[in-house]
Amino acid sequence: KQEVTQIPAALSVPEGENLVLNCSFTDSAIYNLQWFRQDPGKGLTSLLLIQSSQREQTSGRLNASLDKSSGRSTLYIAASQPGDSATYLCAVTSGNQFYFGTGTSLTVIP
Amino acid sequence: DAGITQSPRHKVTETGTPVTLRCHQTENHRYMYWYRQDPGHGLRLIHYSYGVKDTDKGEVSDGYSVSRSKTEDFLLTLESATSSQTSVYFCAISRREGTYNEQFFGPGTRLTVL
Repeated sequence: KQEVTQIPAALSVPEGENLVLNCSFTDSAIYNLQWFRQDPGKGLTSLLLIQSSQREQTSGRLNASLDKSSGRSTLYIAASQPGDSATYLCAVTSGNQFYFGTGTSLTVIP
Repeated sequence: DAGITQSPRHKVTETGTPVTLRCHQTENHRYMYWYRQDPGHGLRLIHYSYGVKDTDKGEVSDGYSVSRSKTEDFLLTLESATSSQTSVYFCAISRREGTYNEQFFGPGTRLTVL
């Protein structure tokens, strides 16, 4: 069974810092890897999707990379802002199912 | 925004009562999912559907049933609610083209079973 891990569970950084969130998975036979953001009491918002044939995707200040062979993905956030404070989750797709990590709770301190 | 709504958004019920949660989508996607989210467990798949009347079990399907009589609606039923089913329930759809498979979520339903 696919297992997805996100470390650390929580991260606190000062505003303006660049940061990296990590996601690892045990089975490299994936179709996609997707990064989400979740604000307290809200649903998940899709940020970026990387297909298995791709190495990275960028959207604004966000850059996600994928290394299938090592079972890792990173989400890079440039010039962090207080509004980036949220929980970030990654999910991998195998067949019809999605497997989620438990997330990294990010706090950006003004 | 993939046009996903969930109802009700909040519900408090008593142990042993039946509960039905509704997920509605406006974009005609074939695949729909029900998850529950609990502290320390993350998101866990309850059931999913790959078309009208076509459903399959997920990781935590015991105590839940689903129905999909129309493309746009996916219902989750707790036949006899228990306190362990207190959770936040999310519906999702996926946009698929070949192996491209991107998931979008509804706003969630917070269910409390007393």
